[in-house]
Amino acid sequence: AAGVIQSPRHLIKEKRETATLKCYPIPRHDTVYWYQQGPGQDPQFLISFYEKMQSDKGSIPDRFSAQQFSDYHSELNMSSLELGDSALYFCASSSRGTGDHEQYFGPGTRLTVT
Amino acid sequence: AQTVTQSQPEMSVQEAETVTLSCTYDTSESDYYLFWYKQPPSRQMILVIRQEAYKQQNATENRFSVNFQKAAKSFSLKISDSQLGDAAMYFCAYNDMRFGAGTRLTVKP
Repeated sequence: AAGVIQSPRHLIKEKRETATLKCYPIPRHDTVYWYQQGPGQDPQFLISFYEKMQSDKGSIPDRFSAQQFSDYHSELNMSSLELGDSALYFCASSSRGTGDHEQYFGPGTRLTVT
Repeated sequence: AQTVTQSQPEMSVQEAETVTLSCTYDTSESDYYLFWYKQPPSRQMILVIRQEAYKQQNATENRFSVNFQKAAKSFSLKISDSQLGDAAMYFCAYNDMRFGAGTRLTVKP
């Protein structure tokens, strides 16, 4: 069965640079979530989209933005990167429209800011 | 706001024995979902088990079962016949977006 795809899997950027992370949800899933997980920490919810509209907002910094496109894939744009942005970024998808809150996680993108 | 609390940062169990991981949550909603996720060293998040609040019967998935106490807002995970491969971080989650701080489970051979 198809799973959530994230690209790239690894990314190294320098401070003040920008980064774009991509997420391709499971086919027919209508909801995408973004999480940030720092070393030794639990996943922190950043933002989610339902049917291409932002549905919930968590602890996403103002330097970050995200959107969900017509094909349901989502991109997380990160600007003015800081050392503290180094983390594992998970994308997850679900079929919220059917009432199913179960999230299917992608493998994550490991971002290193130097 | 809904909060999820895992009061055990670390737990240890002997192989083949049983261990219970605790989770409590706070909510004013009556219908919701609860999940346990496993995160092995590979960092992949893997769903272990889910519970729908409107179902009184505790969910069970092979060696994994939950003790769901809705009135007490408690959702503990029991792992029976622990295996070395069960060693991981375990996260309790409420609905879509609220995760607990996690419990690191060590399995001793």
